[in-house]
Parts: sequence; structure tokens; C-alpha cells
Amino acid sequence: SQQGEEDPQALSIQEGENATMNCSYKTSINNLQWYRQNSGRGLVHLILIRSNEREKHSGRLRVTLDTSKKSSSLLITASRAADTASYFCATRDEANAGGTSYGKLTFGQGTILTVHP
Amino acid sequence: EAQVTQNPRYLITVTGKKLTVTCSQNMNHEYMSWYRQDPGLGLRQIYYSMNVEVTDKGDVPEGYKVSRKEKRNFPLILESPSPNQTSLYFCASSSPFMSAGLAADEQFFGPGTRLTVL
Repeated sequence: SQQGEEDPQALSIQEGENATMNCSYKTSINNLQWYRQNSGRGLVHLILIRSNEREKHSGRLRVTLDTSKKSSSLLITASRAADTASYFCATRDEANAGGTSYGKLTFGQGTILTVHP
Repeated sequence: EAQVTQNPRYLITVTGKKLTVTCSQNMNHEYMSWYRQDPGLGLRQIYYSMNVEVTDKGDVPEGYKVSRKEKRNFPLILESPSPNQTSLYFCASSSPFMSAGLAADEQFFGPGTRLTVL
């Protein structure tokens, strides 16, 4: 079963508005990552947040992590039409950290973001 | 340029005909993975490898094989493909260490291989 569950499944906004996507997970994690995918292409890494961090910024992106609620959110501020893509969260379990299963990464089903010009 | 390459990009084949999808990375990454992406199911990990000769099953390994004889290559083998393996496949690599300006744990994805099994 999927570790990360994104919400909403689809989001449609106007240029200039902010977009917020949420990710929930079930187990204790070592880190959580957000990726972007343009229409059938390879995923591109956006930002990684570790379990001992609560917030990270990268340009117009802001990621928060609440380990007590097992959830994360990705905020894209001042969205542009070029931000139209699918966004995925992925988790690396704490149980796998440092062990032979460290390579295991679990993705959510993604949020489809459409930004209208 | 740091990259992950996959070949072929598109493949149409028939049930039972063995095929191999190649994956190569030029970043000296320790970790490599294969994923399949299906509508409504997101990305599911098939196999991963922590280093040469070290591989492990992901969430959906049935019907697939992998090998890691060299650090840069991680081929995906379908011994007897079936129609339910029709999917978009991605290879990815990462390292648990920061190096040459690359962040630790950041996964680099290949462009994808769209496989159709008739």
C-alpha cells in the first residue's frame, strides 16, 4: 500500500495564487521528499526535509513537516502557468535508515496542479 | 552533465518475449532503483540496489529481475512479459552522501520507458 497519500488529487488555480498540497504517511520516517513531474516525463527532485526539521524553503517553495500528525505540506507561492505539473511526495522509513533497506522509497499517488494563465 | 539514461524509450512487444531495459548513471551513485508508474497508482518501486551485487525487492517485484554488476548500470529484465506489465518505467539513482554539488538522498530520474505488452 502507498505510504504517502496526497491531498487534493487535483488542484486548479489562477496564476499568481498560492497552491498548497498535502501529504500524509503512516510510519516513522527518516526523510520526506517532494518531486515534480511534467506530463509523462521523469520526476525532478524539488526539496527534501528530514524528520528533525519542521520547515524548509527553496525559492517559491515552502515545505513543512509535522511528524506528530505524520503529514507534510508543499506550498508554491505566486504560482505560474509553468508550475502546471503533477507533484509527488516520497518517504524513506526510519526503520530502513542505515540498513540494507535504505534504498526503499515510497511514493504517493500525486496531486495534479493546473495553473491557468 | 549529471544524468540517468534509459533505453529504449518506447517498446512494444508481445507476451512472453524476454526484454531488457537498460539504465545507466554518470554520477557514481551508490543507490539505483526501478519504478513503474500506472494511472491512479502513482510510482511503485520494483527493485532497488544499494551497491554492486546488492539488490532488494521493492513493493512490486513479481515478474521482474535486476542485476548490478557495475556501479553505473542497473538493467531491468522481464523474462516473460505479460500485458499487466504494460506501464511507464523509470530508473533513478541517488547517493546518501553529498558530493560535487549534488544533495544527499536526492533521486535523479531517467526520462522513462513506455512499455506496451500485447
